[in-house]
Amino acid sequence: EAQVTQNPRYLITVTGKKLTVTCSQNMNHEYMSWYRQDPGLGLRQIYYSMNVEVTDKGDVPEGYKVSRKEKRNFPLILESPSPNQTSLYFCASSPFAGGTQYFGPGTRLTVL
Amino acid sequence: KNEVEQSPQNLTAQEGEFITINCSYSVGISALHWLQQHPGGGIVSLFMLSSGKKKHGRLIATINIQEKHSSLHITASHPRDSAVYICAVSPNTGNQFYFGTGTSLTVIP
Repeated sequence: EAQVTQNPRYLITVTGKKLTVTCSQNMNHEYMSWYRQDPGLGLRQIYYSMNVEVTDKGDVPEGYKVSRKEKRNFPLILESPSPNQTSLYFCASSPFAGGTQYFGPGTRLTVL
Repeated sequence: KNEVEQSPQNLTAQEGEFITINCSYSVGISALHWLQQHPGGGIVSLFMLSSGKKKHGRLIATINIQEKHSSLHITASHPRDSAVYICAVSPNTGNQFYFGTGTSLTVIP
């Protein structure tokens, strides 16, 4: 089954404790992206990747890191999480930039 | 900066009504996308448009490139259509996506 998977689905952590949210797709898509969704602000792009080893900043990259060492995986790293990073996070992939996106199920992160 | 604006923000309809959700954008685009997010959070892509009109079941999406405007129509609405509908654009310069804040639709039986 074609899908985008994210783990964990729910995470409660404390300020400053490094964490990684994994994202994997099995559709051989070139383009992958991370978004955060906040009430009243909608979806905002954090980082995206056009292909392996090619990543670029979206609208809200501060406090986040990404890597794309393999085509299928695109982890999101929070080196020192802060409460303002409490949000619902989505990973998505598409065959090419601008193409139809396939979204993961979301990760609800709470930083205390 | 709001590259994408949607209206209305909230919409309540009776079952069977014809529904229209509007999206305006301010940048040149390569494509416009309509997404659906049901309560519980999952996001599904409904349409990708670069011109004209597309139809899938009771859903119809149109786009007017000159006016930088798109509409999503739902015919014969049903309570299972209750969801948040999100408009997104892929600019023709750059590789990002920009999203509207969504339209929350509730269809009452």
